[in-house]
Amino acid sequence: QSALTQPPSASGSPGQSVTISCTGTSSDVGGFDYVSWYQQYPGKAPKLMIYQVNKRPSGVPDRFSGSKSGNTASLTVSGLQAEDEADYYCSSYAGSIFYVFGTGTKVTVL
Amino acid sequence: EVQLVQSGAEVKKPGESLRISCEGSGYSFSTYWITWVRQMPGKGLEWMGNIDPSDSYTNYSPSFQGHVTISADKSISTAYLQWSSLKASDTAMYYCATIGFGSFRAFDIWGQGTMITVSS
Repeated sequence: QSALTQPPSASGSPGQSVTISCTGTSSDVGGFDYVSWYQQYPGKAPKLMIYQVNKRPSGVPDRFSGSKSGNTASLTVSGLQAEDEADYYCSSYAGSIFYVFGTGTKVTVL
Repeated sequence: EVQLVQSGAEVKKPGESLRISCEGSGYSFSTYWITWVRQMPGKGLEWMGNIDPSDSYTNYSPSFQGHVTISADKSISTAYLQWSSLKASDTAMYYCATIGFGSFRAFDIWGQGTMITVSS
């Protein structure tokens, strides 16, 4: 199992949108609609932001949205705010109760 | 309040053994699988393995199979991650998380993390 591929960094000005990609294979991202996204601030535990490709847990702002096409999933943060500056990781179910994380993307609010 | 509380930071020497814990509260511990995640200093998240607390069934990432042991004691709502012989490369933050508490096949409730430092 190889890590899912994410861009190392992404950035945007306040109010703009930023989209992060997460590329896997047909054995993980492409094979299941079980992609999730996590936000992590420095020194803190990750927080679930999106599950099952495009569902938001209670309390997560609707500025966060997810999608998937083929072997690539995406997280879009609209109306970027200073508090969105963090690391973001995707994860996918890979069958037989196996999971894999993405390489992580540092989002900077300019 | 639903939460996972992990044991405190540890400093160990190479070759020593260690077991860290993850205690669940505020929910039925046996109902939801627990996963363990490693984060080496300055690096990304790595999935290590899962356990079903109801019957202690476990599965491991190939990268961690044979290097760690995941266990659980449902009577005290606690999951464990243990090493029989630590290496310097085990230095990392370790997180536990529930799977599917309010979602499906996602890691939704996270512990605060346990920092393990292995140094001679």
